Amino acid sequence: QQQVKQSPQSLIVQKGGISIINCAYENTAFDYFPWYQQFPGKGPALLIAIRPDVSEKKEGRFTISFNKSAKQFSLHIMDSQPGDSATYFCAASVEDNFNKFYFGSGTKLNVKP
Amino acid sequence: EAGVAQSPRYKIIEKRQSVAFWCNPISGHATLYWYQQILGQGPKLLIQFQNNGVVDDSQLPKDRFSAERLKGVDSTLKIQPAKLEDSAVYLCASSSKGQANNEQFFGPGTRLTVL
Repeated sequence: QQQVKQSPQSLIVQKGGISIINCAYENTAFDYFPWYQQFPGKGPALLIAIRPDVSEKKEGRFTISFNKSAKQFSLHIMDSQPGDSATYFCAASVEDNFNKFYFGSGTKLNVKP
Repeated sequence: EAGVAQSPRYKIIEKRQSVAFWCNPISGHATLYWYQQILGQGPKLLIQFQNNGVVDDSQLPKDRFSAERLKGVDSTLKIQPAKLEDSAVYLCASSSKGQANNEQFFGPGTRLTVL
């Protein structure tokens, strides 16, 4: 059973546009929701993360929107740049000693100049 | 601060052969993870160590995969014998227990191709 569902699988956005990636989860015990960015040939790197006590978190051009009742969260990339072209993964975990992450299937973002 | 190191970066083997991957986590990180990332999918946890003890290996195909973390630092993941469906990138990650943001730091991965 897939714990975290991510969409779309791929996304093409013009430079300066807004990129939106969505994730949904089932386990209401999840209390930590990170987004990871992965460039070809590299490991994933933490981009931004949110906990369910807030509905939105913004860091520069990146914003996470969180809807606890709908069990959904999304990543918004404002003013998308060609350098943002990468694969993005959402994840969810229970913040206990084990810190096990469940990753979404990934979204390949292509920002066209 | 040095990141998570992995070797080799690439490996090509024939099916039924054996292969081993090595990971050196960030210094002081007690928790080490091995993930399998099949092309077009998200990372899937294979095994998680806390120091040198296994805390989760529920997704590890134990008939062919094994992993160890001697002395609670470096770790090796072994596949014996390999199957075609084992072709994937194997990622190692580490985290510091008690770290406020729960961040896992990933290495560059080892790309395995099984022919």
